[in-house]
Amino acid sequence: AQSVDQPDAHVTLYEGASLELRCSYSYSAAPYLFWYVQYPGQSLQFLLKYITGDAVVKGTKGFEAEFRKSNSSFNLKKSPAHWSDSAKYFCALEGYQGGSAKLIFGEGTKLTVSS
Amino acid sequence: EAAVTQSPRSKVAVTGGKVTLSCHQTNNHDYMYWYRQDTGHGLRLIHYSYVADSTEKGDIPDGYKASRPSQENFSLILELASLSQTAVYFCASSYRERGTEVFFGKGTRLTVV
Repeated sequence: AQSVDQPDAHVTLYEGASLELRCSYSYSAAPYLFWYVQYPGQSLQFLLKYITGDAVVKGTKGFEAEFRKSNSSFNLKKSPAHWSDSAKYFCALEGYQGGSAKLIFGEGTKLTVSS
Repeated sequence: EAAVTQSPRSKVAVTGGKVTLSCHQTNNHDYMYWYRQDTGHGLRLIHYSYVADSTEKGDIPDGYKASRPSQENFSLILELASLSQTAVYFCASSYRERGTEVFFGKGTRLTVV
């Protein structure tokens, strides 16, 4: 089975705090993992990806994510959080089916950062 | 900057009518995708294509057809629109190689009444 789980539908924190958005995946092979962000009323934008190599990957807008094979997780982190980080964040797994790659998305986590 | 352009950006359709959503990319990407996003949820893959004149079914293809007449263009067709197809539809494109970024269009908000 190929799936992505984002267990927290909503996360709220104050500006200046550290944020960590959780993502777990199910995939039988070595995973390609992504984080995308969707600001209100806008489309999805790429933040970062893990393909291979270092477990911690850095992306745009000051975000980083840590890949942990031991518990099949790929959590997104940023410190400190800023009010402009308020958005919906999607974790995605690049699955492979019928000879073609495709992105499998989690349900998303809506992040609200209060100033 | 990679560009994926969708049209229309919003549409109201009547139940049972035909709807065509269009997508054009100037990225020279091989892959194109149609995703559906329902309020409060993630994206689900409807159809995709990795080469012109060929389309593949995604995870939720029922009620939808797709057409890719050229590398740049990819359409999603609802032959008989239903209330349950009210959603935001995103077109996207990417290179063939695994692990590459997917670029999304701005989305089309479809309301079926």
